[in-house]
Amino acid sequence: AQSVAQPEDQVNVAEGNPLTVKCTYSVSGNPYLFWYVQYPNRGLQFLLKYITGDNLVKGSYGFEAEFNKSQTSFHLKKPSALVSDSALYFCAAGNNNDMRFGAGTRLTVKP
Amino acid sequence: NAGVTQTPKFRILKIGQSMTLQCAQDMNHNYMYWYRQDPGMGLKLIYYSVGAGITDKGEVPNGYNVSRSTTEDFPLRLELAAPSQTSVYFCAVGGFAGELFFGEGSRLTVL
Repeated sequence: AQSVAQPEDQVNVAEGNPLTVKCTYSVSGNPYLFWYVQYPNRGLQFLLKYITGDNLVKGSYGFEAEFNKSQTSFHLKKPSALVSDSALYFCAAGNNNDMRFGAGTRLTVKP
Repeated sequence: NAGVTQTPKFRILKIGQSMTLQCAQDMNHNYMYWYRQDPGMGLKLIYYSVGAGITDKGEVPNGYNVSRSTTEDFPLRLELAAPSQTSVYFCAVGGFAGELFFGEGSRLTVL
């Protein structure tokens, strides 16, 4: 079955430290991979995507993600976390007709 | 430019009642989706549409119906509401490169 896993429900980091939010996928073919962010009582907002090409993808707000085909992973990273980065993050994989989302990881950045 | 507009934002239903969640877009995209978001479960696809007059089931279609008579509108109908349909519902529009643009969500409680 096609699925996306985010192994950590919660990630806590101190402001200024690097952050990583993990994602692995089990999707057939060569899926598109995405990261979205959700703030309280809002819809999901697109952060970045991987379709093909360079394994390191840069997105909005200083976020980047590293695609690793052999490990079927697409981890979200940021070199220096901000308190305002605190939110719920979702990884997704698939295509227009079948997009699977992970359960989400709550990132808390403490001052 | 409103993007994706969902109404209502909040609704409380009694078991067995019916209602329609409205979704309208001004982005002129063909692909539209309905997801439900439950705590710790990520997003599950209910129905999607690839264009006016064309709809198809997602992962969790039971208890719901949709129609797509225009490019702009994609209403989701709940017939005979059940407590299991208590959730937050998101409408999304598919971008040309696969990313999704979400509405603000509709929070439904069935008592």
